[in-house]
Amino acid sequence: AQTVTQSQPEMSVQEAETVTLSCTYDTSESDYYLFWYKQPPSRQMILVIRQEAYKQQNATENRFSVNFQKAAKSFSLKISDSQLGDAAMYFCAYRSGTSYGKLTFGQGTILTVHP
Amino acid sequence: DTGVSQDPRHKITKRGQNVTFRCDPISEHNRLYWYRQTLGQGPEFLTYFQNEAQLEKSRLLSDRFSAERPKGSFSTLEIQRTEQGDSAMYLCASSLLPGGSGELFFGEGSRLTVL
Repeated sequence: AQTVTQSQPEMSVQEAETVTLSCTYDTSESDYYLFWYKQPPSRQMILVIRQEAYKQQNATENRFSVNFQKAAKSFSLKISDSQLGDAAMYFCAYRSGTSYGKLTFGQGTILTVHP
Repeated sequence: DTGVSQDPRHKITKRGQNVTFRCDPISEHNRLYWYRQTLGQGPEFLTYFQNEAQLEKSRLLSDRFSAERPKGSFSTLEIQRTEQGDSAMYLCASSLLPGGSGELFFGEGSRLTVL
């Protein structure tokens, strides 16, 4: 079974600075997707960024980028120019390439942004 | 608003009572998922539907839990004889298949408190 581990229960960053959230995963599959989801307090979870395992290039979405190290099974999220609105719980998630939508989530990292 | 909606947002019940949650997915989405999230943890997969067919159920879904999606549109999740351990946030998500990476769109969740 696949597992996803987020070893940082909490992280903090100053507004406008950069922060990196860590995620490792374990799988024996070669076809899979990785995601970072953001869950603001009392709000729905929204997708931040996704990475297809077959793509070597790291995904980027505006201020959000990932460092995907397939051999090391590592998938970290970098948030540049942090904003107050980035404060949330962040979840790393794994999906098998053959399973449309069944996600395995990590434990989450609470990100605090200080003004 | 055309996102995923869930009702009720919060339910408080006494142990032993039955509760039912409703999820209305994004209208053109044919896949619907239920996840459970306990405090401070990542969501855990419970079950999913493709149209009206329930295709997979997690071992977390005990006999007291039943989910339906009778006409392939909205879904209900019923918990019978609730226990204190059932206290959690129940998240619904939907996605469009085929096509894309199967991105899940989540609702805001239904929080269950069992006294």
